[in-house]
Amino acid sequence: DAGITQSPRYKITETGRQVTLMCHQTWSHSYMFWYRQDLGHGLRLIYYSAAADITDKGEVPDGYVVSRSKTENFPLTLESATRSQTSVYFCASSGTGGLTDTQYFGPGTRLTVL
Amino acid sequence: DAKTTQPNSMESNEEEPVHLPCNHSTISGTDYIHWYRQLPSQGPEYVIHGLTSNVNNRMASLAIAEDRKSSTLILHRATLRDAAVYYCILRDGMNRDDKIIFGKGTRLHILP
Repeated sequence: DAGITQSPRYKITETGRQVTLMCHQTWSHSYMFWYRQDLGHGLRLIYYSAAADITDKGEVPDGYVVSRSKTENFPLTLESATRSQTSVYFCASSGTGGLTDTQYFGPGTRLTVL
Repeated sequence: DAKTTQPNSMESNEEEPVHLPCNHSTISGTDYIHWYRQLPSQGPEYVIHGLTSNVNNRMASLAIAEDRKSSTLILHRATLRDAAVYYCILRDGMNRDDKIIFGKGTRLHILP
């Protein structure tokens, strides 16, 4: 029972490069989310998706792109990475009950932008 | 948005009960009280949630004040593994698109 997985777990990149963080869930959950966690800011929602091909912005979407062609995958792309995007990124999913459903989080990806 | 207030940190001894408080004086009638926790180097995990009545599950108990302006997460017998940041969050049960807003939570230290 894999649950929700993220890859890579650690990534170092340079300013200006494109980076894609992967998220995969095996529960067929409708909703998927991306959060970032920085010291002093707690977790902040970047984007979320209610179903395949449906995405919406969260609190801090600038500089990020998402897609959801398949229910089980929700990749997050930084088109031109900046140092301010150095953070820990968490993917989450929840069932069919909307955003108030319990969310299940992945283990996180620690991204460093040099 | 209804907000919550939690102490920044708390300490407790291993194998003793822990009571983690949360104030939410502006809670609305449709807001559910959710608790998540985040163990070191892991993503958050759901702990418990409730609306009006006290709730119990295998992880913890949730005691909700009669006026719903505060609540307490109770860990009945803390272990070292319970050292984590605990988040108290309000979710609007009438709004399917109500997003989780994580505050800074309470960092719980367990002393052996």
